[in-house]
Amino acid sequence: GDSVTQMEGPVTLSEEAFLTINCTYTATGYPSLFWYVQYPGEGLQLLLKATKADDKGSNKGFEATYRKETTSFHLEKGSVQVSDSAVYFCALRSGNEKLTFGTGTRLTIIP
Amino acid sequence: DAGITQSPRHKVTETGTPVTLRCHQTENHRYMYWYRQDPGHGLRLIHYSYGVKDTDKGEVSDGYSVSRSKTEDFLLTLESATSSQTSVYFCAISGDRPGTDTQYFGPGTRLTVL
Repeated sequence: GDSVTQMEGPVTLSEEAFLTINCTYTATGYPSLFWYVQYPGEGLQLLLKATKADDKGSNKGFEATYRKETTSFHLEKGSVQVSDSAVYFCALRSGNEKLTFGTGTRLTIIP
Repeated sequence: DAGITQSPRHKVTETGTPVTLRCHQTENHRYMYWYRQDPGHGLRLIHYSYGVKDTDKGEVSDGYSVSRSKTEDFLLTLESATSSQTSVYFCAISGDRPGTDTQYFGPGTRLTVL
């Protein structure tokens, strides 16, 4: 079945540091890939998505590129801010409407 | 933001009691979902609906039932709550028209079963 493996946290960085959160997947066919973010006490918000190989999703300075050859969708940001502190979830949708999520990565940014 | 509300937002109940959580949407989207979120597991799908009176099981459906009598409402029922059902429950919606197929999530319901 479909599965998503993402970098275990927690991850703690200083403000303005470079961020990478790794995500790899296993799926049949050609899934769509997503990053969701969850701020404290809130629901999940879509951060970015990519629907086919080599697509790059981007939003709020975050980027992720759909790499079919390595089955990866790593999240990156060049300079993180304290306000980026949250839990980040990688997810895929393969052939139907259901999403499969990774376990989440908690990110804390220190001023 | 997608128009999704969940009620109640917090609930504490005792083992063996029935509990119903409500998800309400104002987007007229076809698909609705219930997930639970637990540490170390991410989000796991409980049940989903692909139309009025059309529902199907997810990966962790045991102990839960759902109903959807109107497009806008999707109810999750725990017939006899157990401590293992203590969790945060999220509803999500998505459409079947181009540009609406991304899932959007409600604010969540924190359920504690004592």
